[in-house]
Parts: sequence; structure tokens; C-alpha cells
Amino acid sequence: DAKTTQPPSMDCAEGRAANLPCNHSTISGNEYVYWYRQIHSQGPQYIIHGLKNNETNEMASLIITEDRKSSTLILPHATLRDTAVYYCIVREKYNFNKFYFGSGTKLNVKP
Amino acid sequence: ETGVTQSPTHLIKTRGQQVTLRCSSQSGHNTVSWYQQALGQGPQFIFQYYREEENGRGNFPPRFSGLQFPNYSSELNVNALELDDSALYLCASSLGGGNPNTGELFFGEGSRLTVL
Repeated sequence: DAKTTQPPSMDCAEGRAANLPCNHSTISGNEYVYWYRQIHSQGPQYIIHGLKNNETNEMASLIITEDRKSSTLILPHATLRDTAVYYCIVREKYNFNKFYFGSGTKLNVKP
Repeated sequence: ETGVTQSPTHLIKTRGQQVTLRCSSQSGHNTVSWYQQALGQGPQFIFQYYREEENGRGNFPPRFSGLQFPNYSSELNVNALELDDSALYLCASSLGGGNPNTGELFFGEGSRLTVL
């Protein structure tokens, strides 16, 4: 039921920007894009979310394409502690807390 | 630290038994949702409770049931356990059952269930 497609894994050098892509080609006009991450065996942690405009907070930036069919999560200066599985999620329109998690992207930050 | 606590953290059951998992939501949050996460997969939505009523359910059979109490804490009950029920069960709390602007879910650390 996941509405998103992500690469299974990515590598990033410590201190460099990590750019994690996500495809959500069937997203509806009022559906939000959320990003969470899960560090080994812990509960998922919220990162950022957006609807149409690009968003930035203290953790990351979210870039959403104009047609909203894809997005990119940017961690500007990755650290070893950013090693985790990152989930791109579309938040269902009429079940606002029903999040469709896919398989996510395992980000490996290397020294 | 999200303020969402789950118990027990680990438990082992045998096939056919019943299990109850518990969740205390973050203070002030009136909505609780439950997710099942099998090994190596993303979390799958089970159901959501808002003000003590179920108001959303994923593709899980009726032997998965739940409760929400007046203090907004919640229980997940699974009857007639099967081997495939072995998973990490995550509880998440939030404010507002139907408002798309309520922002993120706050997840607990989960209860790891093993069915033998």
C-alpha cells in the first residue's frame, strides 16, 4: 500500500550533504509528504514534512518538485549519527494519521 | 525522547496464545495509532483510536483489536497468535484525529513480540 518509491540504500561521506530521493507519482493534491527516520530498532523519528513548497528546519531541507511527483530530503552536513533508515511517506488525505511506510532508504554515513 | 511509553519491551508467546500490549501517549495527545513492523520492513498501519473510538484501520484481521481509555492510553490485543505475528509493535500518539495540520506522529520505542 506504500505510495512511495525509494532506493534501498545510499552511502554518504561524513560532513557532506546527503540527498535522499523519493518518488510519489500518484500523490493527490491534498496529500502531504513526510520524512521519518529510524535508527536501529528504535521508534521512527519525525524529520520534516511539506505539501507544495520547499521546507527547511534545524534537521533537514525538503525539496518538492513542482508537479509534486517526487521530492528530495537533504541533510546538509551528514554525521555518523545520521546513519539510519529514512522513510518517505505520503499522508493519506482522509485518514490523517494513517501513514504508508515503504521499505525506506538505508543511509550509511562513512568516516 | 518522545514521551510515548510502551510495555512490555520484549515478550515471547507461543502460537495460539493471546497478547496485550500497552501504550501511554504523550501528555495532551488524544490520538493513538498502532503499527506492526516485521524484520527488515517498514511499519504497517494497524489501526488508530481517537477519543476512545477506532477511526481508521489497515489490512489486519479482526483478531487484532484495541482499546483507548479516557486518559488516552491504549492497548493492542492480538488473539490466536500466529508465527507471522512476530514483529516490533509501535505505538504513536498525536493531537487531533482528523486535522491534517497536526504535524508529526510521536512514536514509542516499541514492543518486540516473538511467537514460537
